[in-house]
Amino acid sequence: DAGVTQSPTHLIKTRGQQVTLRCSPKSGHDTVSWYQQALGQGPQFIFQYYEEEERQRGNFPDRFSGHQFPNYSSELNVNALLLGDSALYLCASSSAGTLDEQYFGPGTRLTVT
Amino acid sequence: QKEVEQNSGPLSVPEGAIASLNCTYSDRGSQSFFWYRQYSGKSPELIMFIYSNGDKEDGRFTAQLNKASQYVSLLIRDSQPSDSATYLCAVSPDSSYKLIFGSGTRLLVRP
Repeated sequence: DAGVTQSPTHLIKTRGQQVTLRCSPKSGHDTVSWYQQALGQGPQFIFQYYEEEERQRGNFPDRFSGHQFPNYSSELNVNALLLGDSALYLCASSSAGTLDEQYFGPGTRLTVT
Repeated sequence: QKEVEQNSGPLSVPEGAIASLNCTYSDRGSQSFFWYRQYSGKSPELIMFIYSNGDKEDGRFTAQLNKASQYVSLLIRDSQPSDSATYLCAVSPDSSYKLIFGSGTRLLVRP
């Protein structure tokens, strides 16, 4: 049973560039949430996708956008990268309407220089 | 005031002892409460969740919830060195699909 997978594992970008991170949910899950975790902090909710639509959004600027595909996989796009965007980006999957069994992927470590 | 507060630690306990991790939250309407464990350099792993006041036990772990005091705790019995990690408390506000995390408590279990 495949768990949540994310790619790439690590990424180094320059300020002003754009980045796309990818996530495949755990088998049987149809909902994907994205979180940003800065060093020494807890994860912060970016947004959640369900039925290919953004269902809820956290306090992140419009530079952060996403997409969910018919196979439930998801992408997180960040435009005009800032140094402060350097963080671990976590994808979590669950079944619609519940957070009980929300499982995190291994994360993508983004470094902006 | 932070929405979810945890003591950053480190909390140091000897092997075999009970580790007690605490968390307070500000949104009185919160309905769901979660504990995650995160090893250094890894992603969070779900330990357990609790919805109702009282205790919920799962193996060596017990979650305790007191909604009146807006307090949730995690007890780890017979602590092992492998339990050394950061423990994240997370809360889901009412009618919300998101988790709000605390900054985590670092637990160190001494052999």
